[in-house]
Amino acid sequence: DTAVSQTPKYLVTQMGNDKSIKCEQNLGHDTMYWYKQDSKKFLKIMFSYNNKELIINETVPNRFSPKSPDKAHLNLHINSLELGDSAVYFCASSQQGGNEQFFGPGTRLTVL
Amino acid sequence: EDKVVQSPLSLVVHEGDTVTLNCSYEVTNFRSLLWYKQEKKAPTFLFMLTSSGIEKKSGRLSSILDKKELFSILNITATQTGDSAVYLCAKRNYGGSQGNLIFGKGTKLSVKP
Repeated sequence: DTAVSQTPKYLVTQMGNDKSIKCEQNLGHDTMYWYKQDSKKFLKIMFSYNNKELIINETVPNRFSPKSPDKAHLNLHINSLELGDSAVYFCASSQQGGNEQFFGPGTRLTVL
Repeated sequence: EDKVVQSPLSLVVHEGDTVTLNCSYEVTNFRSLLWYKQEKKAPTFLFMLTSSGIEKKSGRLSSILDKKELFSILNITATQTGDSAVYLCAKRNYGGSQGNLIFGKGTKLSVKP
């Protein structure tokens, strides 16, 4: 069974569109994260979220918004996509206070 | 800005060689340091270090933390082609961004047959 899953794996879209990436974890974790990995393989935190608080990296544009329908899901919505949004987006989860984070397989977003 | 710096950025070795990867970090709110291996897809967890001087081992991989000098090393002995990957070091802080990992840019290791 996949611990952290993301859909879609690949997403190709035009500038200006709005898109969503879904993330689900079946580990019973209560904290989930979104990371962006650029073309130079640099992983950077975007959000962390548990049922108590959403922590946003201040450098993330407000076109990006996480939505959590329940503890096992944290979806990423992106409005008005720009060329610079092209990257691989990783979802991860951990126990609250836990150090080890389990990563999903990534979603490669390409904005044309 | 809180930083994690890894060196070298890339490394090419031959099978059987031993390699040492370096990671230095800033002391602010330090809680733990983690190493991940990333092949084609998701990073996979290797080690978590919180105390100085205690070596963590897993097969041919080992890692140690020096909290006085603010660095960690990851050693791989008798390298194999399957060790080829990007090795990521990440710092976890106490405080407001609990759980958020601050990653270095990674060391790309290529092991040639």
